[in-house]
Amino acid sequence: DAKTTQPPSMDCAEGRAANLPCNHSTISGNEYVYWYRQIHSQGPQYIIHGLKNNETNEMASLIITEDRKSSTLILPHATLRDTAVYYCIVRVLRGSNYQLIWGAGTKLIIKP
Amino acid sequence: DTEVTQTPKHLVMGMTNKKSLKCEQHMGHRAMYWYKQKAKKPPELMFVYSYEKLSINESVPSRFSPECPNSSLLNLHLHALQPEDSALYLCASSQDPQSYNEQFFGPGTRLTVL
Repeated sequence: DAKTTQPPSMDCAEGRAANLPCNHSTISGNEYVYWYRQIHSQGPQYIIHGLKNNETNEMASLIITEDRKSSTLILPHATLRDTAVYYCIVRVLRGSNYQLIWGAGTKLIIKP
Repeated sequence: DTEVTQTPKHLVMGMTNKKSLKCEQHMGHRAMYWYKQKAKKPPELMFVYSYEKLSINESVPSRFSPECPNSSLLNLHLHALQPEDSALYLCASSQDPQSYNEQFFGPGTRLTVL
């Protein structure tokens, strides 16, 4: 019961901005959007999260549309080490516990 | 120390064996999680421990038995597994069990059931 839709794969040239889209048209008003990435043979790594305002940290920027039905993760200057699977996730409340509902992921390949 | 460690890194076991996976964190986190990840799929939540008590069991078969001996340790006991249980088993922890602000993941244990 994934709440997010992502393209299965994308390419980006090294040094350029990588823009990863995510659709979450059924998201509720208090559900956060999270992004994690998983480099081959490693555990997932947290990138960023947001509710409705755009967010930026040292790794990336998260742009959420005003209607909250979609978002874009931006890696401003992609390097070869950013090659990974990027997961768009919605945090939902089930009972008294929050759970992360993972999307299928986008495999991002950074090319030299 | 912002690391979650998992042992062993790889495990091969027969269907009649009993084995355990171990996870450890020293960040003072009060929530710990077990996930299962099949190839080319996202992680699937199995169990959540909150303040050392089991708070979520995602209908996992009883051949998987979690244990949280203290706030730093999380075990997953395995018994009578099936070949389809072969997967990457990931442990994670987070500071606030009600918030999930950021989960720190270990590198995983790659399990093969013969």
